[in-house]
Amino acid sequence: EAAVTQSPRSKVAVTGGKVTLSCHQTNNHDYMYWYRQDTGHGLRLIHYSYVADSTEKGDIPDGYKASRPSQENFSLILELASLSQTAVYFCASSDRWPTGQLYFGEGSKLTVL
Amino acid sequence: GDSVTQTEGPVTLSEGTSLTVNCSYETKQYPTLFWYVQYPGEGPQLLFKVPKANEKGSNRGFEATYNKEATSFHLQKASVQESDSAVYYCALGDGSGYNKLTFGKGTVLLVSP
Repeated sequence: EAAVTQSPRSKVAVTGGKVTLSCHQTNNHDYMYWYRQDTGHGLRLIHYSYVADSTEKGDIPDGYKASRPSQENFSLILELASLSQTAVYFCASSDRWPTGQLYFGEGSKLTVL
Repeated sequence: GDSVTQTEGPVTLSEGTSLTVNCSYETKQYPTLFWYVQYPGEGPQLLFKVPKANEKGSNRGFEATYNKEATSFHLQKASVQESDSAVYYCALGDGSGYNKLTFGKGTVLLVSP
């Protein structure tokens, strides 16, 4: 049974619209992450969280907000979606250091038109 | 900041041949190194990790040695199978305690029967 689930799995949005990608984990992990996957760039960290009600900026946070209302849930919010944000987004969870292993969801494909 | 450079793909092989995917990294920390694999339609999953310099990691016939002097972590397999067709990511843990990973751009491996 999948331990990190993302919704929606696919979404088409209009430029300037608001998009929310949701992630739910049943691993009982403290840490959660949002990564973006683009051809030619691999996976890049957008935001992460190490505790509920707190989020941190990753390497490419511009244009994105994150929300962690509980240990299990972590959302990525695009307030004003742009064409350049078309990508596949992956949520992941991890236990406390030093395990280091990230458990990924299946991804959310976002197309901004 | 941290960076990871790996073999650009796609790498196309026939079943039974050997594989090497080069990975080099730059960091000022003392990192943990990982190889992740992503099968079509799925999120990345851990292949193996190596937390210490000059040690080897292995799983499913794949192996890599963490060479601190050369800052390299090349992935190898003696005899690939069609089921190994996937995208392979080299990743660097930043040692921050939050398990943040810097990924390479990924190498697409295509194995023909």
